[in-house]
Amino acid sequence: AQSVTQLDSQVPVFEEAPVELRCNYSSSVSVYLFWYVQYPNQGLQLLLKYLSGSTLVKGINGFEAEFNKSQTSFHLRKPSVHISDTAEYFCAVSAFSGNTPLVFGKGTRLSVIA
Amino acid sequence: KAGVTQTPRYLIKTRGQQVTLSCSPISGHRSVSWYQQTPGQGLQFLFEYFSETQRNKGNFPGRFSGRQFSNSRSEMNVSTLELGDSALYLCASLREPGLAGDTQYFGPGTRLTVL
Repeated sequence: AQSVTQLDSQVPVFEEAPVELRCNYSSSVSVYLFWYVQYPNQGLQLLLKYLSGSTLVKGINGFEAEFNKSQTSFHLRKPSVHISDTAEYFCAVSAFSGNTPLVFGKGTRLSVIA
Repeated sequence: KAGVTQTPRYLIKTRGQQVTLSCSPISGHRSVSWYQQTPGQGLQFLFEYFSETQRNKGNFPGRFSGRQFSNSRSEMNVSTLELGDSALYLCASLREPGLAGDTQYFGPGTRLTVL
């Protein structure tokens, strides 16, 4: 079985400042890793995913994440945030064997302050 | 290409009633998964259907059921509604399970309120 821990439930940050949203996972098998974003009253949108290869993954909207196998982490970063980045961010894993289901963390609410 | 559509977007029911939610996946996608999102429990997997067969099931009571049709559209049903069933129900579509790293695409969700 897999589990995901998002270490911060809320992260306030000033506009144009950098941000890091932390994610740790636990699994007895190899996994794929994902970050999704959810804007108010909307579904989930994929930001980026790690399948294999380079441990630094670039996604949409200027986000990137780094996979660290030894620390079982997949932290999300953005060098300069905008007001429009205010949303809930979810880290998720799925097992190699079948892609589904996704196991999600509890989410991190990013609030960007003008 | 149209995204995942879910109907209805909002629903209000009373305890004891039953409800049916619908999901149409992206054209060409044959796998549909359902997730429940609540403030307390977060996002939890309900079940997955592929080729009209339930492929995976989460840890939910039997009041939660689903099915998939030959055109890949899926419905989920909740019988004997309880207050705790109030949640955002999200549907996700996938081309097919087992494709390495394939992405699940989510619909906008159905917000169910049980009074």
